[in-house]
Parts: sequence; C-alpha cells; structure tokens
Amino acid sequence: AQSVTQLDSQVPVFEEAPVELRCNYSSSVSVYLFWYVQYPNQGLQLLLKYLSGSTLVKGINGFEAEFNKSQTSFHLRKPSVHISDTAEYFCAVSVAPGYKLSFGAGTTVTVRA
Amino acid sequence: DVKVTQSSRYLVKRTGEKVFLECVQDMDHENMFWYRQDPGLGLRLIYFSYDVKMKEKGDIPEGYSVSREKKERFSLILESASTNQTSMYLCASSLTSGIGEQFFGPGTRLTVL
Repeated sequence: AQSVTQLDSQVPVFEEAPVELRCNYSSSVSVYLFWYVQYPNQGLQLLLKYLSGSTLVKGINGFEAEFNKSQTSFHLRKPSVHISDTAEYFCAVSVAPGYKLSFGAGTTVTVRA
Repeated sequence: DVKVTQSSRYLVKRTGEKVFLECVQDMDHENMFWYRQDPGLGLRLIYFSYDVKMKEKGDIPEGYSVSREKKERFSLILESASTNQTSMYLCASSLTSGIGEQFFGPGTRLTVL
C-alpha cells in the first residue's frame, strides 16, 4: 500500500515571496506522483505530475516540483506567489496511470498582501 | 473541455434516509472514483470502477454502495445516512492509458441531520 505525508497543514506566505510545500511518500513499488490544487468552492485540478524521466517537473501557474527517489519526496515550489494562489494543495500517488490515488491530508496556502 | 458533473452542490438529508449521489462524465473514461474529503484527512477513496458493472472497494467503503450501469455514470448510495457521513463528496474519472490524470467534479457537500 502507498501512503502520503504532507508535512505542513498550513502555510501562510506574503505575496511575491517563494513557497515550498513538502510531500513525502512511502511505497514498495514505483509510483506516479501528482500535485492537485483546490481553489475555494471548487473541485481539484491537476498542477503537475511525475511519471518518469527528468526529476524536475514544471506545471501550470509557475509551479514546479522535484522528485527525489532516495528521500521519497516530491516537494512543490513556486518562486513568487500571488494572492490568487490561495488554495489547498494535495500531493497524491498512484502505482499505475489512471489507477486509484492515495492523497495526503492537504496543505492550505494563504497568501497575504 | 472535459467535464465531470455531480447532481447536487449541496444536499441536506435526515438520519436513516437513503441518499443517491450522481456523477456523470463526458470524456468516455473507463475509470470512475468516489472520494470523501474531510478537513485534516485529505481525500479518502470510497469506491472505484474500472468498467461498466464493475466496482471495487476503496479504503472506507463501510456504509456506502455504488452502481455503474452505464460507462458515463457512477452513482454513490448511502443506504441509511448517518451523521458521520456528513462530508464533501468528490467524483473523478480517468483514462487507463496516457498519464491517467484524474478529472474531478465540483463536489457535493452533504449534511446529514
């Protein structure tokens, strides 16, 4: 079975500052890794994914994440946040494309002016 | 534009009622999923389906059942609603091929009184 730990439940950050959201996973097999974002009163949408290849993955809205196999981590970063980045962010893993996802508990990012 | 729709955004039911939550996708996806989302717990998988008339239990199936009679529709059923089933319910769908990204509906916030 797979599990995901998001190390921060709340991250307050000032506008134009950088942000990093931490995600660690455990699995006995190779995994596919995802970050989803949920804006207030909306469903989840995909930010980025790691399937294979380059360990640095770029996503939408200026986000990127780095897969580190030795540390079983997939941390999400953005160099300069906007007010509109205020949302809840979920890290998730899957063992195959389209297969069920195991989610972390989520990190709420609040961007202040 | 891909679409996953859920029959209600908000629903209020009484303890003991039978509740149906409907989900429809228009992307011809093979896979469909039901999750519930609770603060501090992230998303937890209730049931999923890889094909018409097929279903598999997720991590928290107790108190729920599902139905998939047509490829585009996946229904979640609460046989006898209880107050601990008050939650946000999210439906998702995905293809088995490609990256297998899951597309989410907007969610149904169910309150059981």
